[in-house]
Amino acid sequence: SQQGEEDPQALSIQEGENATMNCSYKTSINNLQWYRQNSGRGLVHLILIRSNEREKHSGRLRVTLDTSKKSSSLLITASRAADTASYFCATDEGNNRLAFGKGNQVVVIP
Amino acid sequence: NAGVTQTPKFQVLKTGQSMTLQCAQDMNHEYMSWYRQDPGMGLRLIHYSVGAGITDQGEVPNGYNVSRSTTEDFPLRLLSAAPSQTSVYFCASSYSGQGFFGETQYFGPGTRLLVL
Repeated sequence: SQQGEEDPQALSIQEGENATMNCSYKTSINNLQWYRQNSGRGLVHLILIRSNEREKHSGRLRVTLDTSKKSSSLLITASRAADTASYFCATDEGNNRLAFGKGNQVVVIP
Repeated sequence: NAGVTQTPKFQVLKTGQSMTLQCAQDMNHEYMSWYRQDPGMGLRLIHYSVGAGITDQGEVPNGYNVSRSTTEDFPLRLLSAAPSQTSVYFCASSYSGQGFFGETQYFGPGTRLLVL
């Protein structure tokens, strides 16, 4: 079932600004993952955060996880035009499935 | 490594026709899965497999069949295509499925299917 729900669903920012998007989910999870999809392409894994972790960094990406609120956020710092894409959160409930959200479209204006 | 490959890239079918979407990976991954992506719906899991000879249904399995005779290949069959199956289909694989430590899923480039 669709578990992750991203917010906001569309975001337009200027190059150099930070972009923040949130994901909420409904049930207990083992881990949460974020993926990026460029137009017309497959999804690419960005970062994974486990249920016992609260924050994780990878380059210009910062992910937080609040299991008490069942939410996660993805922050992209110093955005670039190449960051224009759709971003999806996906939750792993431990049943050999990943449940993806509906996605968040980010447009970075040069 | 080629990663995850999918063929064809684009296909047009008439209602009632059958076809097989091919998916192959060369990373010796045990876990493979099929998703469909529709506007505003995100990705929905159709079928998945945790190893050769083992398959299971996902969220939206109706109208689709799968089999896993080898580790490398995981074809998706549409037995009698319907307009509601117009979508973009993605195949993905990971080393051994999902668990507490989680695993990265590697996605193919997708197959765009139009059913008239």
